[in-house]
Amino acid sequence: SQQGEEDPQALSIQEGENATMNCSYKTSINNLQWYRQNSGRGLVHLILIRSNEREKHSGRLRVTLDTSKKSSSLLITASRAADTASYFCATRREDAGNMLTFGGGTRLMVKP
Amino acid sequence: DGGITQSPKYLFRKEGQNVTLSCEQNLNHDAMYWYRQDPGQGLRLIYYSQIVNDFQKGDIAEGYSVSREKKESFPLTVTSAQKNPTAFYLCASSISWMNDQPQHFGDGTRLSIL
Repeated sequence: SQQGEEDPQALSIQEGENATMNCSYKTSINNLQWYRQNSGRGLVHLILIRSNEREKHSGRLRVTLDTSKKSSSLLITASRAADTASYFCATRREDAGNMLTFGGGTRLMVKP
Repeated sequence: DGGITQSPKYLFRKEGQNVTLSCEQNLNHDAMYWYRQDPGQGLRLIYYSQIVNDFQKGDIAEGYSVSREKKESFPLTVTSAQKNPTAFYLCASSISWMNDQPQHFGDGTRLSIL
């Protein structure tokens, strides 16, 4: 079963705009991670936020975590055409070592 | 450069045939994972290995088998019992099973039925 669910499933924006993707999950987590996947390629880790953290930044990425609402958001600022990809959230369940459960992803298209 | 290498990139299976997907890593990671990705979907865990000579079933292990005889290698066999094998298969590794380090992924093998 999929723990995380991303919203929206697809997002199309113009270059320079900000992109926001949301992730909801169901059970208690140890941490939440965001990954990026270019078409036909493997996933690349972007950022990890632990359950005791509320916000984290990495370059143009900003991730928030609200454990009371069991949700997270990924903001990409000043988007570029090269940001076009699918973005997945993954949760590390408290009862399952480093086993990650992935959501269905948000497909982001950034138009030049 | 360190990384994960999956081969082949494309694979075709005939009905009743077993096929093996290769996954090799030179990152010196203890833990390795196999995922299946269907079109437009997220990843589902097939098998994982916390350490060499050990492996455990994931969420969708039926019709698949693995081995972990060497630290750097974690091959996946898709058996004839897997009736719907067409998918994109991704291998990943992490430093350890028990910490927060991210997973590193290969570039996948796309399996289709002839």
